[in-house]
Amino acid sequence: NAGVTQTPKFQVLKTGQSMTLQCAQDMNHNSMYWYRQDPGMGLRLIYYSASEGTTDKGEVPNGYNVSRLNKREFSLRLESAAPSQTSVYFCASKVADRLLDTQYFGPGTRLTVL
Amino acid sequence: GQQVMQIPQYQHVQEGEDFTTYCNSSTTLSNIQWYKQRPGGHPVFLIQLVKSGEVKKQKRLTFQFGEAKKNSSLHITATQTTDVGTYFCAGPKDTGRRALTFGSGTRLQVQP
Repeated sequence: NAGVTQTPKFQVLKTGQSMTLQCAQDMNHNSMYWYRQDPGMGLRLIYYSASEGTTDKGEVPNGYNVSRLNKREFSLRLESAAPSQTSVYFCASKVADRLLDTQYFGPGTRLTVL
Repeated sequence: GQQVMQIPQYQHVQEGEDFTTYCNSSTTLSNIQWYKQRPGGHPVFLIQLVKSGEVKKQKRLTFQFGEAKKNSSLHITATQTTDVGTYFCAGPKDTGRRALTFGSGTRLQVQP
């Protein structure tokens, strides 16, 4: 049981380049989430998918798009990277989009945009 | 919008000393969760509190949810070097159940 996996672990982009961050979970969870973490700011929700086939914006969606490819996989795309998107990106999942369910986080992707 | 604030931002203690971090919300929370993130790692769920005035213990860690459900605390007794990391509280966003608002975290450093 790998839990939540993310690829790549590290990435350096130039301004204007695009890339997709991959996330997969093997816990049969219905809900998946993308967060970004900046120093001193905690975690902020970018997008989430309450269940397969649905996606919704979070707190900071601008500059990002997501795809819930199937129940296991939820990807985050940066179409035209900007230095302000330099951050650590965490994917998380939980059993269902319910109040009391626990979120399980992946190891993160450390992204630098030059 | 809802804000979740944590204090202090950073604390440096000697091993064996106690540590407390406080979490305050601008709105009443239905529940609050605590996470720990080791340096270079990812957040790991510690505990969830639901009831007003609830107190839960995990070995040396004591978690409390305020009577008004707007504040919470995490207290560590006799810190160890394994306690090093950043502790986050998180509560459901006031616009619905689906997303969590995370506090900015308290970074704990333990000097051996």
